[in-house]
Amino acid sequence: EAQVTQNPRYLITVTGKKLTVTCSQNMNHEYMSWYRQDPGLGLRQIYYSMNVEVTDKGDVPEGYKVSRKEKRNFPLILESPSPNQTSLYFCASSFNPPGQGYTEAFFGQGTRLTVV
Amino acid sequence: DQQVKQNSPSLSVQEGRISILNCDYTNSMFDYFLWYKKYPAEGPTFLISISSIKDKNEDGRFTVFLNKSAKHLSLHIVPSQPGDSAVYFCAASEASNTGKLIFGQGTTLQVKP
Repeated sequence: EAQVTQNPRYLITVTGKKLTVTCSQNMNHEYMSWYRQDPGLGLRQIYYSMNVEVTDKGDVPEGYKVSRKEKRNFPLILESPSPNQTSLYFCASSFNPPGQGYTEAFFGQGTRLTVV
Repeated sequence: DQQVKQNSPSLSVQEGRISILNCDYTNSMFDYFLWYKKYPAEGPTFLISISSIKDKNEDGRFTVFLNKSAKHLSLHIVPSQPGDSAVYFCAASEASNTGKLIFGQGTTLQVKP
């Protein structure tokens, strides 16, 4: 089954404790990205990756890191989480960057993160 | 500055009637628009899209209309079914390399049996 898988689905952590949210896709997509969803703001892009070893900042990259060592995986790293990073996070993937060639993105099920 | 806006946080319609969800945008460089549906505890799933060269796209019960001069698009669901109850997000992108989707705030649709 074609899918984007995120882990964990739910996470409560304390301020400053490094954490990683994993994302894996089995569709051989080249483009992957991370979004966060906050009330009244919709989804905002954090980071994106055009291909292996190619990553760049989205609209809200502060406090986050990513890596793309393999095509299928795109982990999101919070080196020192803070309460303002409490949010719902989504990983997405597509063959092309969404918009190019009228490509849509496929989303994972989400990770609800709470930082206390 | 919200480039994509969904001004109605919620909408309630009766089963069998038409649901109309609206979306406004400010960036004239957007050339591709998408609608996503999201159920609780799930990720957004793609519903329908439209490119800026068209003004209408239809897929079964779902039709998206684009009015470029007004910078407005709408999603029509006919007939509405209880299973359509979800949060609907409008999104837009430019023909650039970043592939970033700009999302609206979402509209919660409730279809009553």
